[in-house]
Amino acid sequence: QKEVEQDPGPLSVPEGAIVSLNCTYSNSAFQYFMWYRQYSRKGPELLMYTYSSGNKEDGRFTAQVDKSSKYISLFIRDSQPSDSATYLCAMSYNTNAGKSTFGDGTTLTVKP
Amino acid sequence: EAGVAQSPRYKIIEKRQSVAFWCNPISGHATLYWYQQILGQGPKLLIQFQNNGVVDDSQLPKDRFSAERLKGVDSTLKIQPAKLEDSAVYLCASSGPGEQYFGPGTRLTVT
Repeated sequence: QKEVEQDPGPLSVPEGAIVSLNCTYSNSAFQYFMWYRQYSRKGPELLMYTYSSGNKEDGRFTAQVDKSSKYISLFIRDSQPSDSATYLCAMSYNTNAGKSTFGDGTTLTVKP
Repeated sequence: EAGVAQSPRYKIIEKRQSVAFWCNPISGHATLYWYQQILGQGPKLLIQFQNNGVVDDSQLPKDRFSAERLKGVDSTLKIQPAKLEDSAVYLCASSGPGEQYFGPGTRLTVT
């Protein structure tokens, strides 16, 4: 069993929809939770970074962490075609974000 | 704005051949990472450097992979000899205080 499981997708939504991307994990020692966006043939780009449980909002993006359920989510409001990409969740034990365990990604397509 | 540079962008080799990838991090970033991303999977950390010293290479297959970061700036990752299962995108990333950036990656195909 993988330490981090991510909804595999692919996910296709109409422009303007609310998108929910989800990951579960098994290791309760994870303290830091990240979401990356990866466009085709590009490297991942850090979107959101949260510590422990709670919500964090940045524009149209909201990251939610529920440590009791070992479940994290990324919500995208008013989705745009430019949001079409693969979204990766990642988790780490400490502030060394480089040594993170990644999910396998969910590919999102937002149709105009 | 300059980002993390990697070359080559694409490489096709036969199994048992050797290959090298190059990475130039963002200026001033002390930490440099090499990741392997197999198609359909998330990146897996191979090695992490802090300046020119190795911080973590626990997932680097040391019998065939090697990496160096001379003078704490550029880095090279080498595979010798390559196996079919090494086909992947090799990503370099660098980080400084409060930020981390990935390069575009080198797509390796081993035939």
